[in-house]
Amino acid sequence: DSGVTQTPKHLITATGQRVTLRCSPRSGDLSVYWYQQSLDQGLQFLIQYYNGEERAKGNILERFSAQQFPDLHSELNLSSLELGDSALYFCASSKRPQGQETQYFGPGTRLLVL
Amino acid sequence: ELKVEQNPLFLSMQEGKNYTIYCNYSTTSDRLYWYRQDPGKSLESLFVLLSNGAVKQEGRLMASLDTKARLSTLHITAAVHDLSATYFCAVDEVGGADGLTFGKGTHLIIQP
Repeated sequence: DSGVTQTPKHLITATGQRVTLRCSPRSGDLSVYWYQQSLDQGLQFLIQYYNGEERAKGNILERFSAQQFPDLHSELNLSSLELGDSALYFCASSKRPQGQETQYFGPGTRLLVL
Repeated sequence: ELKVEQNPLFLSMQEGKNYTIYCNYSTTSDRLYWYRQDPGKSLESLFVLLSNGAVKQEGRLMASLDTKARLSTLHITAAVHDLSATYFCAVDEVGGADGLTFGKGTHLIIQP
């Protein structure tokens, strides 16, 4: 158990819908990362927040957005969902924003868009 | 654009044998990470390599980093069935976004 929690574990929804994935980082970690894992694209970095502020963006679609709240939990919002958005979404956390340390991954949310 | 390539992508080996997984990356970096993923599970951190020549060992696994060659290796010694998993290397690009760029993963099956 990495100490990173994610809810829900599974999510099934329809195309065009909007969903919110939630992540709580490890105690003491200020940095939260979101990743998408799919068979087509592999593991891709989406976005990073540090202490409430957006720090870095990766291959995140405009239909996706995220935020980090004062209690440091983070939410990833996916809207206008398409079949291709079906994937495993991981949240990871670390203490510092600049890398050079382990990112601890949560258990993931498996999203299926029908 | 940073590219991370692993090989092989699939490896089937017998218990007791030794093997090496290779990870090449395309840009200057001295920050290389190895993760393990079991089917349907999350990623578990194995090693963090932060300098040229860094070598780390845990049990039957040993990882090394050559930043000049832009190459990391994960060596498995006397493999056992419990090491069957998918192994990912990832690179943290200096001066770039702080998210990790992952290789495609090496799916390792160790047969008794």
